[in-house]
Amino acid sequence: DTAVSQTPKYLVTQMGNDKSIKCEQNLGHDTMYWYKQDSKKFLKIMFSYNNKELIINETVPNRFSPKSPDKAHLNLHINSLELGDSAVYFCASTLRGGFGELFFGEGSRLTVL
Amino acid sequence: QQQVKQSPQSLIVQKGGIPIINCAYENTAFDYFPWYQQFPGKGPALLIAIRPDVSEKKEGRFTISFNKSAKQFSLHIMDSQPGDSATYFCAASETGNQFYFGTGTSLTVIP
Repeated sequence: DTAVSQTPKYLVTQMGNDKSIKCEQNLGHDTMYWYKQDSKKFLKIMFSYNNKELIINETVPNRFSPKSPDKAHLNLHINSLELGDSAVYFCASTLRGGFGELFFGEGSRLTVL
Repeated sequence: QQQVKQSPQSLIVQKGGIPIINCAYENTAFDYFPWYQQFPGKGPALLIAIRPDVSEKKEGRFTISFNKSAKQFSLHIMDSQPGDSATYFCAASETGNQFYFGTGTSLTVIP
């Protein structure tokens, strides 16, 4: 039973399109994150939600809009996709104030042509 | 500003060797230092973690050494195997808050 699941695993789209990535966790965690991993493997935090409230919003273009309908779900919508948005996007979750382990999904590879 | 600095960027060792990956941090409020292992096409997975009240932690062939005064910690992989070939990330956080990751080390273990 997958702890943090992301869909879709692969996305190939044209510049200018809009796309969404969904994430769900069944660990009972209250904090979820979106990370972007570029071709150099660097993990850059984008957003974090705690109990559906945005708590971290790094310098990310406002074309990226996260949404957390409940504490088990965190979705990422990207408008007007650009070539530089091509990356692997990882969802992660943790229990705030707990032992601190961060669980990652398997990633969603976005390719913008 | 990179909160956690990691080196080397890549490492190649022979099977049975002991690769060492180093990380340094500045924020003394960090109280949790995990290492993550990532295989191609997969998400990072927790390998081993340490809190600053101990100087060393071992789990199987993996050991974290922690130097609080120097604000440095390192991962040692004993008797490395080809299956250990992966990208390794150190990280630091205040428990339950934002995680700061190092830039990653690509490890290749040659049979």
